[in-house]
Formats: sequence, structure tokens, C-alpha cells
Amino acid sequence: EDQVTQSPEALRLQEGESSSLNCSYTVSGLRGLFWYRQDPGKGPEFLFTLYSAGEEKEKERLKATLTKKESFLHITAPKPEDSATYLCAVQAKGSSNTGKLIFGQGTTLQVKP
Amino acid sequence: GAVVSQHPSRVICKSGTSVKIECRSLDFQATTMFWYRQFPKQSLMLMATSNEGSKATYEQGVEKDKFLINHASLTLSTLTVTSAHPEDSSFYICSAPRPPGGTDTQYFGPGTRLTVL
Repeated sequence: EDQVTQSPEALRLQEGESSSLNCSYTVSGLRGLFWYRQDPGKGPEFLFTLYSAGEEKEKERLKATLTKKESFLHITAPKPEDSATYLCAVQAKGSSNTGKLIFGQGTTLQVKP
Repeated sequence: GAVVSQHPSRVICKSGTSVKIECRSLDFQATTMFWYRQFPKQSLMLMATSNEGSKATYEQGVEKDKFLINHASLTLSTLTVTSAHPEDSSFYICSAPRPPGGTDTQYFGPGTRLTVL
């Protein structure tokens, strides 16, 4: 069964304190892995798509990496405005529903000034 | 800017009534859209896949007669919660891949908060 597990469930950082969020996945052939940011009461906002092991993508203070079993979202020198829930999702090959995403439970990040 | 919109953003209704939620792709056509439900402090759970011109595909455990989906055009999908009950209160979010299909990125709407009294 395809599955996505994120850790930690919650993370508190001081402003400027770098850290990483983990997304472990089990899927019968990875089509794509997606990172989203979700603020309270809002829909998820797209951050990155990764397709193959070894791939990396960056956006401002965020960097996403991918291996055959997991993905990391590295946050460098975070600011309070980076506080949000970060969601990881995978899309499996051969899915009967094209585009179907399987989400992890998310990591809620709080950055204190 | 936003590429997927939802309406309404919030709705409060009485138990037993039906509520319709609209999801629109703003500057692209979407032959497929997805409907999710999210309970407080939980992740997104896929409810169904909306297919333009054909029947929706529902996930296991989702009542198709309760959650009616209509994909009337290439830019509009609607979710109707019929005979709503308090346990249907949740945050409903739609998404659409842009461009359609494959591993193209899914963009999400802002969500609709449904409260059933």
C-alpha cells in the first residue's frame, strides 16, 4: 500500500535556527513527490515537485531533496513568516486516477522571533 | 496569483439541507479536478476525482449519493453535500493539475469551511 509519513509532527525553531523536515514514502513506482505549505484556514500552496532520486530544488530559504525512500525539506535561517504546516505528497505510477496525490500528515513549523 | 478558486469560502447550514461548493480553474482548462476533505489538525483526504464529461470516481468509504460531483465544463467542478449533518462539518478543498494530467503540479483552491448546525 502506498504510504507517506512525515516527521516530526511539530517543530519549534528560533529565528535563524536551521533544520530539516522529513518525508518518508512507500510507493509502487514514484511519479512525483510534492511539497506544499499550508497556512491555517487556507488551501495548500505549491512549493516544489521532485521526480527522481538525487534531484534538488530551492526557493528562498527552502531546499527540497529526494532519495529513493525519502525527501527532506531543509529550512535555512528561518523567519517567523515561515511558520506553517508543510505537507508532503506523492503520486504513484500506474495510478488509475491520473494525478491522485497521497498526503502525509504534515509537519507544523513554528518559528519564534 | 490564484489559479484555482472556490466559492463560497464559508457556509453555515442547518442539518438536512444541501450545500453546493464550486471549484473553478481560472486561466486553464482542467479535465480532471480533485476534491479533498480536511478535519482539524489532520491532513488532506481525497474524496473523489471529478472528470469532465463523465462520472466522478469516489474513494473507498465516500458515499457518492451524499457527495454529488458534477464537472460541467473544463473550468468548473461542483461538490454538493446532500442532506448535510453535523458530522459533515469540515474544510473542503479542491485541486486541479495544470496543465491537465501526468505529473503536472496540482494547484489547490483556498478551501470552503462548512459548518452544519
